[in-house]
Amino acid sequence: DSGVTQTPKHLITATGQRVTLRCSPRSGDLSVYWYQQSLDQGLQFLIQYYNGEERAKGNILERFSAQQFPDLHSELNLSSLELGDSALYFCASSPPPGSHNEQFFGPGTRLTVL
Amino acid sequence: ILNVEQSPQSLHVQEGDSTNFTCSFPSSNFYALHWYRWETAKSPEALFVMTLNGDEKKKGRISATLNTKEGYSYLYIKGSQPEDSATYLCAFKTGTASKLTFGTGTRLQVTL
Repeated sequence: DSGVTQTPKHLITATGQRVTLRCSPRSGDLSVYWYQQSLDQGLQFLIQYYNGEERAKGNILERFSAQQFPDLHSELNLSSLELGDSALYFCASSPPPGSHNEQFFGPGTRLTVL
Repeated sequence: ILNVEQSPQSLHVQEGDSTNFTCSFPSSNFYALHWYRWETAKSPEALFVMTLNGDEKKKGRISATLNTKEGYSYLYIKGSQPEDSATYLCAFKTGTASKLTFGTGTRLQVTL
């Protein structure tokens, strides 16, 4: 158990819908990262937040957005869902700078878009 | 665009065999190289974080080396066991970025 929690574990929805994935980082970690893992693809970095502010952006679609709240939990919002958005979405957290960014991954949310 | 490559893509060995995989990364602006182990139906788990050229790290039967000048790292598993079956990911961090760039992984299967 990494200490990072993600909910829900599984999500099944229809095209065109909107969903919210939630992540709570390890106690004391200020950074939260979101990744997408589609079939036969590696971990694709989506976005990073540090202490409530966006720090880095990767291959995140405009239909997707994220935020980190004052209690440091983060939400990833996916809207106008398409079949190709079906994937495993991981959240990871890391300790404050100086730790070389070792990341601790949550159990993931498996999203299925029908 | 940073390119992190891992080889081989997959590997099938017998119990007791020793094996190794390669991670190649850009040699410029290096900050850190991470290795993660990712078992099926679980989440990636950090194995090593390596920062210095010539670094060698060891955890049980698993060890890793780092060459930042030529941009590669090797992960070794001595005497593979079925429980070593997993995908092994490497991830690269530059000095100017706060994110990690992951390779696509080496999938290892160890059979009896």
